[in-house]
Amino acid sequence: EDQVTQSPEALRLQEGESSSLNCSYTVSGLRGLFWYRQDPGKGPEFLFTLYSAGEEKEKERLKATLTKKESFLHITAPKPEDSATYLCAVQARALSGGSYIPTFGRGTSLIVHP
Amino acid sequence: DTGVSQDPRHKITKRGQNVTFRCDPISEHNRLYWYRQTLGQGPEFLTYFQNEAQLEKSRLLSDRFSAERPKGSFSTLEIQRTEQGDSAMYLCASSSGEEETQYFGPGTRLLVL
Repeated sequence: EDQVTQSPEALRLQEGESSSLNCSYTVSGLRGLFWYRQDPGKGPEFLFTLYSAGEEKEKERLKATLTKKESFLHITAPKPEDSATYLCAVQARALSGGSYIPTFGRGTSLIVHP
Repeated sequence: DTGVSQDPRHKITKRGQNVTFRCDPISEHNRLYWYRQTLGQGPEFLTYFQNEAQLEKSRLLSDRFSAERPKGSFSTLEIQRTEQGDSAMYLCASSSGEEETQYFGPGTRLLVL
């Protein structure tokens, strides 16, 4: 069974204190790993898509990396407005062998204190 | 392009009633997904359309749930005989055929009393 595990479940940082979030996965036929940001009561907001091991993507204070078994979301010098839940999802082939469907992790809740 | 929209944003219903939600995807996106999300969990896949064809349906999805996408544009998700366990945020997402990235709507929050 495809699994996506995110750690830690919750993370509290001081403004400017850099850290990393982890997403480990066990899937067959990976076809992309996605990072989303979700604010309370809202739909997930797309951040990055990674397709192959060694790939890296950056956006402002965020940097996503991918290996064969896990992905990291690095947050450099975070600000209070970076507080949100960060979700990881992997796109893998469905059990039916047909389409590719996504499996999400439970997310990491990040709070950045000023 | 205004993004993915969902209606209603909130719905309160009594147990046993039927409810229907609507999703309008990003224009020209041929793929549309429905998810359910409960507190502290990531979105759980429910079903997926490519154009008007429903290609995948979660094995966890009860027979009380049905989804349609007539003409390959907007989609509806209906829940019959609602139960308290159906209370959740229902999310819709769309993607184009050329890339897999999904763009989410704001969600419909359902509360079953």
